[in-house]
Amino acid sequence: DIQMTQSPSAMSAFVGDRVTITCRASRDIRNYLTWFQQRPGKVPRRLIYGASGLESGVPSRFSGSGSGTEFTLTISSLQPEDFATYYCLQHDSYPLTFGGGTKLEIK
Amino acid sequence: EVQLVESGGGLVQPGGSLRLSCAASGFTFSSYWMGWVRQAPGKGLEWVANIKEDGSEIHYVDSVEGRFTISRDNAENSLYLQMNSLRVEDTAEYYCAMIGYNSGWYHFFQYWGQGTLVTVSS
Repeated sequence: DIQMTQSPSAMSAFVGDRVTITCRASRDIRNYLTWFQQRPGKVPRRLIYGASGLESGVPSRFSGSGSGTEFTLTISSLQPEDFATYYCLQHDSYPLTFGGGTKLEIK
Repeated sequence: EVQLVESGGGLVQPGGSLRLSCAASGFTFSSYWMGWVRQAPGKGLEWVANIKEDGSEIHYVDSVEGRFTISRDNAENSLYLQMNSLRVEDTAEYYCAMIGYNSGWYHFFQYWGQGTLVTVSS
């Protein structure tokens, strides 16, 4: 099985900060990676597909990059509504596996 | 507008069974892979199972293989998850999710239902 390791597991930041979250795969997953956002008490929402494709309706301050085993999600200027938990998902092979999540809190 | 509405969750004793349903609307259900994802209270997301458009290909996470069965009824636009031999560790919110497809790319879990809570406890 492919293990997805997200870092950090939690972080705090100010509104307006630039934030980067990393996801590492235990083996090459090409660009078969999706990022999700989950606000407290809400359903997960897809942000990024194919490692760098922006989902329709998602603000352009979100971006994704990477391929192979290392991927990043960047938020260029944090907004209050961005404080949430973020997950990566690899869909290169079964079983599909999510990262453990990164909880982003307000500083 | 894509809508996915889960039902069937509840409290069940260890060893018991439940059948979850997901009613789909707003898209051509028979043209898309579908899946189930769960989230234990206060924990992260875990993929459970996927099923191909016509039901001919199915995948499960190891921890539910042999106990859970994913199925679909394309005439009824419905997805199901039959859960048998339930364990305490199966306690979670269960989400139905659609896998989109566009220009040769599978869009995993592009749309989600609101979830249904399954609690396994004596």
